[in-house]
Amino acid sequence: GQSLEQPSEVTAVEGAIVQINCTYQTSGFYGLSWYQQHDGGAPTFLSYNALDGLEETGRFSSFLSRSDSYGYLLLQELQMKDSASYFCAVRVVRGAGNMLTFGGGTRLMVKP
Amino acid sequence: DAGVTQSPTHLIKTRGQQVTLRCSPKSGHDTVSWYQQALGQGPQFIFQYYEEEERQRGNFPDRFSGHQFPNYSSELNVNALLLGDSALYLCASSLESSVYNSPLHFGNGTRLTVT
Repeated sequence: GQSLEQPSEVTAVEGAIVQINCTYQTSGFYGLSWYQQHDGGAPTFLSYNALDGLEETGRFSSFLSRSDSYGYLLLQELQMKDSASYFCAVRVVRGAGNMLTFGGGTRLMVKP
Repeated sequence: DAGVTQSPTHLIKTRGQQVTLRCSPKSGHDTVSWYQQALGQGPQFIFQYYEEEERQRGNFPDRFSGHQFPNYSSELNVNALLLGDSALYLCASSLESSVYNSPLHFGNGTRLTVT
């Protein structure tokens, strides 16, 4: 089976930098994704890493180390609107199908 | 460009009843996946439909079934509802031809409460 571990809660202040870590155990790994979900809203895609290294998208960056089965999401210049839950997810391919397996989520609270 | 739409937004059912949830994928998408999200948890994969067939299933009992129509829309059916089925049910669509790097596009979900 698959399992993903990420911290349940993180608190930071506006303007700061925060890193959310994710470790995973899976077979048939095809990349690590990050999704953001505000309370009452739909998960929305943030980033995807298929290969080792850093991917940068504006204030958000994501890193993957396949040898360590580890990744992180880095949020810079935090804003109040970044308060949300963040999920890491691995894509697993089995036969003709594929699916995303999500971690339990990290609730980020940004304080003024 | 319409995103993923789900109906209804909220639903209250009684134990033992049956429920049908509906999903229309994002325009141009051909693959639909369903997820169950309990409060404070990550989404759990239920199943995936492509070309009107279920081709991948998560660890959910047979009470959970689905269907995909020729226009790519999909339904999720749950029979013999249990209190533990209370959750947010999310539909996500994607494009099969770019499955390995295509992100999932989620709808806002259906909040199901079983009493």
